[in-house]
Amino acid sequence: QLQLQESGPGLVKPSETLSLTCTVSGGSISSSSYYWGWIRQPPGKGLEWIGSIYYSGSTYYNPSLKSRVTISVDTSKNQFSLKLSSVTAADTAVYYCARLHNPHKTTSGYYFDYWGQGTLVTVSS
Amino acid sequence: SYVLTQPPSVSVAPGKTARITCGGNNIGSKSVHWYQQKPGQAPVLVIYYDSDRPSGIPERFSGSNSGNTATLTISRVEAGDEADYYCQVWDSSSDQGVFGGGTKLTVL
Repeated sequence: QLQLQESGPGLVKPSETLSLTCTVSGGSISSSSYYWGWIRQPPGKGLEWIGSIYYSGSTYYNPSLKSRVTISVDTSKNQFSLKLSSVTAADTAVYYCARLHNPHKTTSGYYFDYWGQGTLVTVSS
Repeated sequence: SYVLTQPPSVSVAPGKTARITCGGNNIGSKSVHWYQQKPGQAPVLVIYYDSDRPSGIPERFSGSNSGNTATLTISRVEAGDEADYYCQVWDSSSDQGVFGGGTKLTVL
C-alpha cells in the first residue's frame, strides 16, 4: 500500500523559507506513470494546488506562487521536497503531499489518488 | 486561470439524495474529480474521470459532467457522509491543478 509522509518544521518565521519533504513508501517515485504534488489548506479554508513534479525533475507551479516556490525530487531517497520563500502569515496552512495519476493519459485527466496525512506549518515570529 | 465554482453548503435529510455541483466554463470537455474531506483528515478521492469510483467507495456515490456543470450525487445519504467535498480538474491549457472552493454537506 502506497504511503506518503510529510516532514519538516511546524513553525517558520516571517520572511524565511518554508521547507518540507515528502517520503514515499510502498512504491517508487521513479515510476513513469505518476507525477507528485503539493497542496495546501489554510485553516478553515479550501484546497490550493501548489505545484507538481515528475521523477525526471519536470515541474509545474501555481502561477500565484511560482516566484516563491521550488519543488525538487530525490529519487535515491524516494522523496520530493517543497521550498516556499519569503513566507508571511498568509502561508500558514496544512501542507499535503500527494500522488498525481492519469491512467487514461488524457490531457486534463490528472487526479490525486494518494495523499499524505498533512502537516501544519505556522508562520509566526 | 480556470475557475471552478461550488455552492458553499448543501443540506440533506438522511436517506435522501444530495447533489453537489461544480461549475466551470465548458467543464464538460474536461475530466472532473471529487474528494471528500472530513474534519482533521486528508482528502479522499471519491470520484475520478467524471464518474468512476475508486475501490472501497460505495456505489451511492456517482458523478456526471456535461456543459458547464459537473455534479456529484450521493444517494441514500448517511450521517457519515457529512463532510466537505471538493471538485478538481487539471487545466491542460496552463498545466495547473485547480480545485473548487468546496461544499460543506450537512446531514440534517
